[in-house]
Amino acid sequence: AAGVIQSPRHLIKEKRETATLKCYPIPRHDTVYWYQQGPGQDPQFLISFYEKMQSDKGSIPDRFSAQQFSDYHSELNMSSLELGDSALYFCASSLGPRGDTEAFFGQGTRLTVV
Amino acid sequence: AQTVTQSQPEMSVQEAETVTLSCTYDTSESNYYLFWYKQPPSRQMILVIRQEAYKQQNATENRFSVNFQKAAKSFSLKISDSQLGDTAMYFCAFMKRYNTDKLIFGTGTRLQVFP
Repeated sequence: AAGVIQSPRHLIKEKRETATLKCYPIPRHDTVYWYQQGPGQDPQFLISFYEKMQSDKGSIPDRFSAQQFSDYHSELNMSSLELGDSALYFCASSLGPRGDTEAFFGQGTRLTVV
Repeated sequence: AQTVTQSQPEMSVQEAETVTLSCTYDTSESNYYLFWYKQPPSRQMILVIRQEAYKQQNATENRFSVNFQKAAKSFSLKISDSQLGDTAMYFCAFMKRYNTDKLIFGTGTRLQVFP
């Protein structure tokens, strides 16, 4: 069965650079969530989209932005990277309120800022 | 606001034994979901089991079962016949229902299964 695809799997950037993380949800899933998991921490919600509109916003820095495109894939753009942005970034998708609310996670993108 | 608390940072169990991981939560919502996710060393987030708050019957998935006490806002996970592959970080999570809502995670319990 198709799963949530995240790319790239690993990314190394220097401070002050920009990074773009991509998420391809499970087919027919209309809701995408982004989470950030720092070393030894629980996942923290960043932002979510439902039907290409932002549905909720968490502790996402102003340096980050995200969007969901017409094909439902989502991109998380991170600018002016800081060492503290080094983390595992998860994308999850679900059918939202119309269906099963179980969220399926991608394998994550490990971002290292040096 | 909802909060999820896991008071056991680390647990260990011998292979084939049973272990229970604790989770409590706080919410004013009446409809919600509760989940247990497993995160092995690969860091993949894997759904172990979920419980709908309106269902009184405790969820069960093979060797995994929950003890859901809605009034006490308690949601513990029991792992029977523990296996080496159960070694992982386990996160309890909360999500409101009827909403494209986010998951709110606890801080996790690191479970080590010993041979």
